[in-house]
Amino acid sequence: EAGVAQSPRYKIIEKRQSVAFWCNPISGHATLYWYQQILGQGPKLLIQFQNNGVVDDSQLPKDRFSAERLKGVDSTLKIQPAKLEDSAVYLCASRRGGFVDGLAKNIQYFGAGTRLSVL
Amino acid sequence: AQSVTQLGSHVSVSEGALVLLRCNYSSSVPPYLFWYVQYPNQGLQLLLKYTSAATLVKGINGFEAEFKKSETSFHLTKPSAHMSDAAEYFCAVSHTGNQFYFGTGTSLTVIP
Repeated sequence: EAGVAQSPRYKIIEKRQSVAFWCNPISGHATLYWYQQILGQGPKLLIQFQNNGVVDDSQLPKDRFSAERLKGVDSTLKIQPAKLEDSAVYLCASRRGGFVDGLAKNIQYFGAGTRLSVL
Repeated sequence: AQSVTQLGSHVSVSEGALVLLRCNYSSSVPPYLFWYVQYPNQGLQLLLKYTSAATLVKGINGFEAEFKKSETSFHLTKPSAHMSDAAEYFCAVSHTGNQFYFGTGTSLTVIP
């Protein structure tokens, strides 16, 4: 079974530029998460999808961040415009179960992440 | 609100020594608890999880953790450290099993 794929692995941009990250979850996984992991901190949830619908985006800075999962499979996360404090690793994770499944089908599988440096 | 606190951002142990990584949770009801490991430039990998069954949970790579409700703790242990255990370890909590809150992580160094 292929794992969660993310690209690019690394990205360096200047502040005020735009950037996009791509995630392809494990086949058949209904739930997809985007996390931001700042150096020295634990992952912080940005947005959670179930299929192509948003379950939770309460911690997504919506003035500059956007995400979509149009066909309920792969997802993109965009930052426009980027700030210095956006420098972090952006992790994508997927889970087979949906929101109502709770822990029954619940192991999150993480991709290797995209390391973003904003100069 | 749910949260986890990992005491000690850096832990060093000698090869062969006991590994003890601490995690305390804050939750109104016993939550689901997880330990993840992250190797450099990789994503997080699940080590073990507590889901209200046995309080002593065994995971991969010889790790185990014990859920202690009275102490609101879920410490991770391994009897004998290997060089390959050097990594970042994260404790995470979930009440619903859908949304997860991670601690700040503990970096484990194994000294030969």
